[in-house]
Amino acid sequence: GAVVSQHPSWVICKSGTSVKIECRSLDFQATTMFWYRQFPKQSLMLMATSNEGSKATYEQGVEKDKFLINHASLTLSTLTVTSAHPEDSSFYICSASTSGHVYNEQFFGPGTRLTVL
Amino acid sequence: GNSVTQMEGPVTLSEEAFLTINCTYTATGYPSLFWYVQYPGEGLQLLLKATKADDKGSNKGFEATYRKETTSFHLEKGSVQVSDSAVYFCALSERGYQKVTFGTGTKLQVIP
Repeated sequence: GAVVSQHPSWVICKSGTSVKIECRSLDFQATTMFWYRQFPKQSLMLMATSNEGSKATYEQGVEKDKFLINHASLTLSTLTVTSAHPEDSSFYICSASTSGHVYNEQFFGPGTRLTVL
Repeated sequence: GNSVTQMEGPVTLSEEAFLTINCTYTATGYPSLFWYVQYPGEGLQLLLKATKADDKGSNKGFEATYRKETTSFHLEKGSVQVSDSAVYFCALSERGYQKVTFGTGTKLQVIP
């Protein structure tokens, strides 16, 4: 099946620093990648959608200057949390999909736990 | 807009009990419906899916039937195991669109 990896699986950083999270599709080409943030009470919030080679589309309320998304190739998307603060601590999950799927199945990465001190 | 409503958890069951997790949806078109499962500390995995009315998705003993008349996609399993303990998300995706709308998730705990 389609495999999506994320790196790192967890990261701890100081307030004010930037953190980059990578999302890779290992055995397929992902035309679209998604970034989600999961809050402690389980809800999954879509942050942005990115298509290879174009700018990401951010959901309402998500600061694009704070959460920088780059989808440079068909197998790699990165999320950079700039000037991180404790309130950015969360579980970040990416997913990837490829064109041609009638039911738009997304394949999810294992997630990255970010803790900002 | 689209929305998915799941029963609130947590749901605690004894091993071999029958499981039902209710899910209803609101959509403007003819969505595909999904159940995802998230085990502790992991990302989401697709558990099962149904792409049109009256389809039944099934996997690992779990089943869900796409009911257009009641806009529902309830998850069922006849006999749960401790290893089924996880958070279950109901979701939908409109045909032709990439965006998936998730429910808030239902935590299932199965005790021996």
